[in-house]
Amino acid sequence: KQEVTQIPAALSVPEGENLVLNCSFTDSAIYNLQWFRQDPGKGLTSLLLIQSSQREQTSGRLNASLDKSSGRSTLYIAASQPGDSATYLCAVQYGNNRLAFGKGNQVVVIP
Amino acid sequence: DVKVTQSSRYLVKRTGEKVFLECVQDMDHENMFWYRQDPGLGLRLIYFSYDVKMKEKGDIPEGYSVSREKKERFSLILESASTNQTSMYLCASSLHRGPQPQHFGDGTRLSIL
Repeated sequence: KQEVTQIPAALSVPEGENLVLNCSFTDSAIYNLQWFRQDPGKGLTSLLLIQSSQREQTSGRLNASLDKSSGRSTLYIAASQPGDSATYLCAVQYGNNRLAFGKGNQVVVIP
Repeated sequence: DVKVTQSSRYLVKRTGEKVFLECVQDMDHENMFWYRQDPGLGLRLIYFSYDVKMKEKGDIPEGYSVSREKKERFSLILESASTNQTSMYLCASSLHRGPQPQHFGDGTRLSIL
């Protein structure tokens, strides 16, 4: 069974610092990996999707890398802002169009 | 942009009631999904559907059923609501059966009293 882990569960960083969020998964047979953002009480917003054949994806201040063989992905957020405070979820797509989610990194950016 | 709309943001029901959660997507997506999200447990798949009138059980289907009479609409039904079904429910859709990104609605926070 595919398991996805995100550590730490919560972190705080001063405004302006770069954020580094890690995701690991147990089975490398994935189709893609998606990073989501979730604000309190809200749904999930897709940030980046990396296909299994890709190594990274970039969107503005966000960059996500994927090392499928070692079962790891990293989300980088450059020059963090208070508006980046949210929970970030990693999910891998595998098998029959299933998504396996991590439990998220709860991020607070301190002004 | 894909729009996935869940009919209610907040819902309060009583134990034993039959509860309907509705989800509509506007992009002709074939696949639709229902998840629940609980603190410490993350998102768990309840049911999903690849086509009209077609459904498959996810990881935690007990106590739930679903209905997909039209392609754009996927309903989650709590046959007899219980307090342990108090949760955040999230609906998602994706384009077709192959590996495609899932697009999520804003969620329904359901409380069963």
